[in-house]
Amino acid sequence: SQTIHQWPATLVQPVGSPLSLECTVEGTSNPNLYWYRQAAGRGLQLLFYSVGIGQISSEVPQNLSASRPQDRQFILSSKKLLLSDSGFYLCAWTGSSGANVLTFGAGSRLTVL
Amino acid sequence: SQKIEQNSEALNIQEGKTATLTCNYTNYSPAYLQWYRQDPGRGPVFLLLIRENEKEKRKERLKVTFDTTLKQSLFHITASQPADSATYLCALDDMRFGAGTRLTVKP
Repeated sequence: SQTIHQWPATLVQPVGSPLSLECTVEGTSNPNLYWYRQAAGRGLQLLFYSVGIGQISSEVPQNLSASRPQDRQFILSSKKLLLSDSGFYLCAWTGSSGANVLTFGAGSRLTVL
Repeated sequence: SQKIEQNSEALNIQEGKTATLTCNYTNYSPAYLQWYRQDPGRGPVFLLLIRENEKEKRKERLKVTFDTTLKQSLFHITASQPADSATYLCALDDMRFGAGTRLTVKP
């Protein structure tokens, strides 16, 4: 069966520090991968999605970036965090064809101080 | 650009009643629409998917309707229970979500 792993679960970072969140999927190949952010009490904002290795689509201009170095690995990064980057980051995957539903990871809660 | 809205930020109902949540979208014609449940501190969990050529879909106490003319989907929970308390999110086929409706079912 397919599983999705996301880490770290929680982190507290100072403003201006770098960020790296990692997501891996097991039990499937060529998934579509997604990064979302959820601010406190708000909805899900789509940040990035990827349909293949090295293929990244960015939804909003900001100081975050994403990379997909391997088929089932998706990384969210920042060189310098802002206070506004605080939130709950969720990685998700779907199959690559047909009507697809999202399967989410457990999330990473980031607090920027 | 397309926009997806869930009209109610919060909905409070009594146990046993039917909860009805609304999802509207504009400037878009999705091939399908999805509903998810999210509990605090957790990722959303898929509930139902309804395609553009389907008027209604049911799963146990859940029912979803899809009106492509009104550009609206309704999500119903019948015989609601306190355990149904959660945030419910709708999403279009482009994987963009509405803001969600926080449902509270009171005993």
